[in-house]
Amino acid sequence: DADVTQTPRNRITKTGKRIMLECSQTKGHDRMYWYRQDPGLGLRLIYYSFDVKDINKGEISDGYSVSRQAQAKFSLSLESAIPNQTALYFCATSDLRTGGDTGELFFGEGSRLTVL
Amino acid sequence: AQSVAQPEDQVNVAEGNPLTVKCTYSVSGNPYLFWYVQYPNRGLQFLLKYITGDNLVKGSYGFEAEFNKSQTSFHLKKPSALVSDSALYFCAVRDPPGTGNNRKLIWGLGTSLAVNP
Repeated sequence: DADVTQTPRNRITKTGKRIMLECSQTKGHDRMYWYRQDPGLGLRLIYYSFDVKDINKGEISDGYSVSRQAQAKFSLSLESAIPNQTALYFCATSDLRTGGDTGELFFGEGSRLTVL
Repeated sequence: AQSVAQPEDQVNVAEGNPLTVKCTYSVSGNPYLFWYVQYPNRGLQFLLKYITGDNLVKGSYGFEAEFNKSQTSFHLKKPSALVSDSALYFCAVRDPPGTGNNRKLIWGLGTSLAVNP
């Protein structure tokens, strides 16, 4: 089983719908991240969380919200999806204890979202 | 401002030949540098990192990278390319602890490597 699991892997939805992407990890890491990948734009950070009670905005947080329900779970919500949120979304984790402060990330397999 | 540049969108190399994927950065001080690989329809995987010490860093799958402070570069290399190395490669940089905005990685836009049989 994957250490970082994202659900759903693929989702097609319509403009205005609320969408939740979920991420769970079995690595025991304290830090979790949501990224968005678009062709030609690389990876952009949406939100990150260094602890259950710690939520931080990334580069492109507008239109998104997150919830860190437990150390192992970090969900990303699109309250009212729009077509330019069509992208590949990645959850990632890192751990201060084992990775030191060097920032090595462990990624999920991605969630492909299409907003029509 | 911090930035990372991968000057080549695509690199093509014949199997068995050496490969180089370029990365340059603009970060003050002594940054942490990373390479990640993304195979088709997969998430990113960590390849290697430079924190301090020897400028030549060895990583997974036979890859290595050389940190060059004077040229602010961190090029990824492999002596003999395999078809299975075909993937998207990302360079990333981070400020060291205690400096600037070290909580986040700054990513390059990626370089697509195609290894031809």
